[in-house]
Amino acid sequence: DARVTQTPRDKVTEMGQEVTMRCQPILGHNTVFWYRQTMMQGLELLAYFRNRAPLDDSGMPKDRFSAEMPDATLATLKIQPSEPRDSAVYFCASGRVGEQFFGPGTRLTVL
Amino acid sequence: AQTVTQSQPEMSVQEAETVTLSCTYDTSESNYYLFWYKQPPSRQMILVIRQEAYKQQNATENRFSVNFQKAAKSFSLKISDSQLGDTAMYFCAFANQGGSEKLVFGKGTKLTVNP
Repeated sequence: DARVTQTPRDKVTEMGQEVTMRCQPILGHNTVFWYRQTMMQGLELLAYFRNRAPLDDSGMPKDRFSAEMPDATLATLKIQPSEPRDSAVYFCASGRVGEQFFGPGTRLTVL
Repeated sequence: AQTVTQSQPEMSVQEAETVTLSCTYDTSESNYYLFWYKQPPSRQMILVIRQEAYKQQNATENRFSVNFQKAAKSFSLKISDSQLGDTAMYFCAFANQGGSEKLVFGKGTKLTVNP
């Protein structure tokens, strides 16, 4: 049963620390998305890749967030330095035309 | 820019009954997809049903069906024979067909199924 995997599932860190979240997309899916979910903003797109190339990262705070896809089996989202307002659930999703499947999310808490 | 509106923040239904969740959207595109996602307390986002805008026939998946009204830009979800496991947040979402396929989500409807 193919599924998107994400690590870690939960992360608690202190303000100013670097945070790295990892995602393994479903094999054969050529598009990978990062979404953030907060109570105030709901679900919003941070960045996405097609065939490992970044296509849109307009939703990311550029000074502290970065997203990469070093190979077809790994996508990463980094926050450096982290701030309390970054506390949220971060979802990775992978897909092909007309379908997106989500990972279990990483719940990030920045103290 | 596309927007998705879910006007019902919370709803409740008795087990075995039918409930309909509302969703409207705004777009100038003619080819697109619409989705309903379910998010139970486990926080996993689960794809419930998908509709392609060019298809006139409403999508169905077991107890879940949609009423897609393209001219009215309306996309409601009907859940028949509600079960306790249907208790969750339900999100309506839009994606363009071709070009950017990012999902634009509504704010969600919290559905509670009562025994």
